[in-house]
Amino acid sequence: AQKITQTQPGMFVQEKEAVTLDCTYDTSDPSYGLFWYKQPSSGEMIFLIYQGSYDQQNATEGRYSLNFQKARKSANLVISASQLGDSAMYFCAMREVSGSARQLTFGSGTQLTVLP
Amino acid sequence: DAGVTQSPTHLIKTRGQQVTLRCSPISGHKSVSWYQQVLGQGPQFIFQYYEKEERGRGNFPDRFSARQFPNYSSELNVNALLLGDSALYLCASSMVDVSVSGANVLTFGAGSRLTVL
Repeated sequence: AQKITQTQPGMFVQEKEAVTLDCTYDTSDPSYGLFWYKQPSSGEMIFLIYQGSYDQQNATEGRYSLNFQKARKSANLVISASQLGDSAMYFCAMREVSGSARQLTFGSGTQLTVLP
Repeated sequence: DAGVTQSPTHLIKTRGQQVTLRCSPISGHKSVSWYQQVLGQGPQFIFQYYEKEERGRGNFPDRFSARQFPNYSSELNVNALLLGDSALYLCASSMVDVSVSGANVLTFGAGSRLTVL
């Protein structure tokens, strides 16, 4: 079963508007971390934001915020005031802390295009 | 400060050949992880090394192997290449063992793009 699901293969947003990229996850581990990465066409994965499963507050990093709804198992990324440079592939990822799991499990990504 | 550096950036091989990909982590980072990203998909975990010891292995065949050197750099080797091995191979580093904390952030390199003909 998919552990990370990103249902939007592609999204368009007008410059300066806000956009929400969806991510749902599946785990039975009570302790886990959720990450969002940005991948421009150059290929490098750029870390954006982190949310821990026990964090009470939604994470924010500049123009990025994470809308964490634990009961729904969703961790949507909100980008405010979109810029042309935000055009890229965005990946949601999870790390389960318990057991021997050491890897990040990634979703299939959302291609965001910011329109001028 | 230099980020995670990978070499080569691009390479083309034929089926059955062997390939070695190299990764230098950020200075001070002792953990290196390798991921395979097939076109149109998210990265998939291959290996994680910490202090020269293998700490994790993904669901990849034995044709895939890796090692970490005393200076914390790492090599990923793939033998008997198949067409399906064509992918972007990403290396990521972190300061500590990734299992220490769920919050441990991986810093990725730009990858090595392998094409198998």
